[in-house]
Amino acid sequence: DTEVTQTPKHLVMGMTNKKSLKCEQHMGHRAMYWYKQKAKKPPELMFVYSYEKLSINESVPSRFSPECPNSSLLNLHLHALQPEDSALYLCASSRSFYPGLAGGPSYEQYFGPGTRLTVT
Amino acid sequence: GQQLNQSPQSMFIQEGEDVSMNCTSSSIFNTWLWYKQEPGEGPVLLIALYKAGELTSNGRLTAQFGITRKDSFLNISASIPSDVGIYFCAGYNTNAGKSTFGDGTTLTVKP
Repeated sequence: DTEVTQTPKHLVMGMTNKKSLKCEQHMGHRAMYWYKQKAKKPPELMFVYSYEKLSINESVPSRFSPECPNSSLLNLHLHALQPEDSALYLCASSRSFYPGLAGGPSYEQYFGPGTRLTVT
Repeated sequence: GQQLNQSPQSMFIQEGEDVSMNCTSSSIFNTWLWYKQEPGEGPVLLIALYKAGELTSNGRLTAQFGITRKDSFLNISASIPSDVGIYFCAGYNTNAGKSTFGDGTTLTVKP
């Protein structure tokens, strides 16, 4: 099973709302990622969790707050977003993430279908 | 930061034709990954390459990890309409600790 699931599939929220995106994987992967993707652009890395600890924050505004409750779940809490935050939000997982190790199958990332977010 | 140059930006081909796209960088990568993304979906991993010079096939897809570790190409043979989508390369560098994505190649296949 190489499936990463994300909910909801679509989300429309106002700039004063608070919402959460959810991601789940049952592949035993210990690294999980949040990406933001604008139309016809590559995914942009936002956050990386390794063994449930935040390893990378790509200078993401604090209105995005990630959370990794356990090794299978990843949340992204949204608050006071701006219209320019509208995008496809992708979750991904990989077997591991550890700078310093040689490349290999550990770094193959499996993506979920994404949440299409519209901020009005 | 590291950048990948992916070309061509888009391709319009007839069904049955072969396709070739590539990614180049001024930086060295330890791993090259090729993804396909269809509208409304997340990227799907097609091929992963781990060693310089490695040539790997997955059905009609063939990809190679350049000997200099700074480039990779993906070939699709005998294209079919379901090959339509955006193809992304991604390079992983151990020192950076993350993947860098190319800007993608949009493939359109005419029946």
